[in-house]
Order: sequence, then structure tokens, then C-alpha cells
Amino acid sequence: AQSVTQLDSQVPVFEEAPVELRCNYSSSVSVYLFWYVQYPNQGLQLLLKYLSGSTLVKGINGFEAEFNKSQTSFHLRKPSVHISDTAEYFCAVSDLETTDSWGKLQFGAGTQVVVTP
Amino acid sequence: DTAVSQTPKYLVTQMGNDKSIKCEQNLGHDTMYWYKQDSKKFLKIMFSYNNKELIINETVPNRFSPKSPDKAHLNLHINSLELGDSAVYFCASSLPPGLAGAPGELFFGEGSRLTVL
Repeated sequence: AQSVTQLDSQVPVFEEAPVELRCNYSSSVSVYLFWYVQYPNQGLQLLLKYLSGSTLVKGINGFEAEFNKSQTSFHLRKPSVHISDTAEYFCAVSDLETTDSWGKLQFGAGTQVVVTP
Repeated sequence: DTAVSQTPKYLVTQMGNDKSIKCEQNLGHDTMYWYKQDSKKFLKIMFSYNNKELIINETVPNRFSPKSPDKAHLNLHINSLELGDSAVYFCASSLPPGLAGAPGELFFGEGSRLTVL
């Protein structure tokens, strides 16, 4: 079984400032890692994913995340945020060991990012 | 053209009633899901179907019955609604296991907000 911990429930940030959202996971098997974004009153949209290879992953809207296996972390960053980045951000893991787990994402509790001018 | 569409978007009903939420995807995906998001924004998988066959059933009360008439549709019927069923229900779809693409890369609908009074 996996678990995902998002260490900050809310992150206030000024426009054009950098932001980092922290995510740690635990799992007894290898996992895939994801960040999803949920804008107000909308569904979730994939920001980026780590499957294998380079530990620095770039996603949409200028976001990137770094996979750190030794620290079991997958922190999300953006060097300069916009007002439009105000949203809920979810870290998620997926077990890659069995096909029965396909699409069975274990989500973190979410981090609310509030960008102010 | 909406990729994953759910109806209705909002549903207010009394305890004990029976209600349905419908989902359709035009992405050509074989796999569809229902996720539940509670009032604290925590997301949890309920069901997944691959080409009309039930794959994942996550300890959901049997008052919840999914139905997939074809691989583009996945409906959720809920009997004898309870207060605790109030939540946002998200439909999602993805490529099935074995094809190129990421496990866990889900495409979500905008959600159906169910309020049970």
C-alpha cells in the first residue's frame, strides 16, 4: 500500500514569486508519481508525471518537479507564479507492479495555492 | 468538445432517494473511473472499468452501483442516499494497461456535486 503526504495544506504566495509544494510518499513497491491541479469548480488536470529516467520533470504552465528516491519526495516548483496559478494541487502515486492497479491513484490531501498581487 | 463530460453538475436531493450520475468520454479510452472527493477535498477511487468490465471496486457500499453500457460511458447509480454521500463525484478515463501512455494519467470530468439533505 502507498501513502502520500503533502506537507502544506495552504501556501500563500505573491505574484511573480517562486513557489514550492512539498510531497512525500511511502510505498513498498516502485511507483509512478504525478502532480495534478484543480482550478476552482473544475476537474483535475495533469501537470506532470515521473515514470522513469531523468529525476527532473517539466510539466505544463512552467511547473517542474524533482523526484528524490532516497528522500521519497516529489516536490513541485515554479520560479514565478501568476494569479491564474491559484488552485488546489494534488500529489499522487500509482503502483506500477500490477495492471489491476492501473489508474488507481493514491492522492495526497492537496495544497491550496493562493496567489495575490 | 468536452473530453469527459458528466451530468448533472449539481444534484440536491433528500435522504433515502435514489439518484444517478452519467459520464461520457470521447477520447477513445478503454478505461473509466469514478472518484469521490469529500468536503476536505480528499480524493479516493471508487470503481474502475476496462472495456465494460469491472476492474477495481474499492470497498464501496453496495448502495453504489456503477454501470458501463459501452466503453465510452460509465454511470453511477446510488440507492438510499445518506448524508455522508454528499461529495463531488469525478468521472475519469485513461488508456488501458499495456498501451503507450502513463498509468495514472487520468482525464477528469468537471465533477458532479451531490448534496444530500
